[in-house]
Amino acid sequence: QKEVEQNSGPLSVPEGAIASLNCTYSDRGSQSFFWYRQYSGKSPELIMSIYSNGDKEDGRFTAQLNKASQYVSLLIRDSQPSDSATYLCAVNSFTGGGNKLTFGTGTQLKVEL
Amino acid sequence: GAVVSQHPSRVICKSGTSVKIECRSLDFQATTMFWYRQFPKKSLMLMATSNEGSKATYEQGVEKDKFLINHASLTLSTLTVTSAHPEDSSFYICSAGASGRYPYEQYFGPGTRLTVT
Repeated sequence: QKEVEQNSGPLSVPEGAIASLNCTYSDRGSQSFFWYRQYSGKSPELIMSIYSNGDKEDGRFTAQLNKASQYVSLLIRDSQPSDSATYLCAVNSFTGGGNKLTFGTGTQLKVEL
Repeated sequence: GAVVSQHPSRVICKSGTSVKIECRSLDFQATTMFWYRQFPKKSLMLMATSNEGSKATYEQGVEKDKFLINHASLTLSTLTVTSAHPEDSSFYICSAGASGRYPYEQYFGPGTRLTVT
């Protein structure tokens, strides 16, 4: 059973602070990693993808990948109330049925004024 | 780019009836489409994977005769919930992946909220 683990939260940060979201995965063969944002009652929205060890920055978002430790993280700088959502970590795996994403249960982020 | 639409956004049906949900990729050709369901405060559960022109691959525990999936073209996949019952009430979300884009990225439709009375 391939697993993706996240702390469910809620993670509360003040406006303007850095929010740090973490994710671990069990499948050492995974090569593609994604962060999705999901607002309550809405579908997930892809915000970051990362494939190589190290950091990848896009605006206020930085994804970090460490394949040796099987660890992915997402940093959100200058957090805004509009960032309040559930963040889903997803890891690609290949099975007999083809490629598919395994999702963590998500971390709820609350950015407080 | 990478826009996926889903229709209807919300449907209420009586127990025993069938409901069809459409998923379309609007600005790219989706070689693979995925169907998920999500219960309140729970994560996404993959139901099936479909490739254009071939039979869908269902996840363990998902009844293929109850959840019929058709992926007739590179831009359209449909999910039909047959003989729906109240326990089928859920948020159904499709996603699409495309060759030529970054490997294995999936783009989600807005979802369909199904309520079976």
